[in-house]
Amino acid sequence: DAGVIQSPRHEVTEMGQEVTLRCKPISGHDYLFWYRQTMMRGLELLIYFNNNVPIDDSGMPEDRFSAKMPNASFSTLKIQPSEPRDSAVYFCASSSQGNYGYTFGSGTRLTVV
Amino acid sequence: GQSLEQPSEVTAVEGAIVQINCTYQTSGFYGLSWYQQHDGGAPTFLSYNALDGLEETGRFSSFLSRSDSYGYLLLQELQMKDSASYFCAVGPNQGGKLIFGQGTELSVKP
Repeated sequence: DAGVIQSPRHEVTEMGQEVTLRCKPISGHDYLFWYRQTMMRGLELLIYFNNNVPIDDSGMPEDRFSAKMPNASFSTLKIQPSEPRDSAVYFCASSSQGNYGYTFGSGTRLTVV
Repeated sequence: GQSLEQPSEVTAVEGAIVQINCTYQTSGFYGLSWYQQHDGGAPTFLSYNALDGLEETGRFSSFLSRSDSYGYLLLQELQMKDSASYFCAVGPNQGGKLIFGQGTELSVKP
């Protein structure tokens, strides 16, 4: 199993540009989570899906952030327009048993200049 | 609100035993988990406690007391490779999300 696959690994973009982060969960996992990690705020849950349906998006910072899961093997997190304060590492994780035993992807390090 | 408290950093020597504590205050409780994260890496799952008591996995053990809203991770026979950040996390509902603590940075010295 290749694990949770995220792309790109690194993204540097200018303020105001659109950014799209991608995630492929582990096959058979029906929960998918997007987290953001910063030194100041730690690991914050942005949104999670169960069976491709968004369940809780209360952590999405504002309307600039959106996430989709069109099928069981793919999800995107989009930021439009991006701002310097969005700079962080964005992790995708999947699980087959709810809050037990997440598998995290390698993360996308986003820098907005 | 929901919060988890754990020490920000701990230092220990190789071969020693270290305990990382976690207290939580959440609206609901469906298990306490522990994750390890090396610098520049992804968090990896270590252990899960849904019921009171001790769970042992090799050199690592995790304990939970639901009445005290408290748990700990015990690392034995410390090795240099154990230097990492350790996060406790609580599932506040049955739905699947985890709320993470701020993490404890463990430094293992020779």
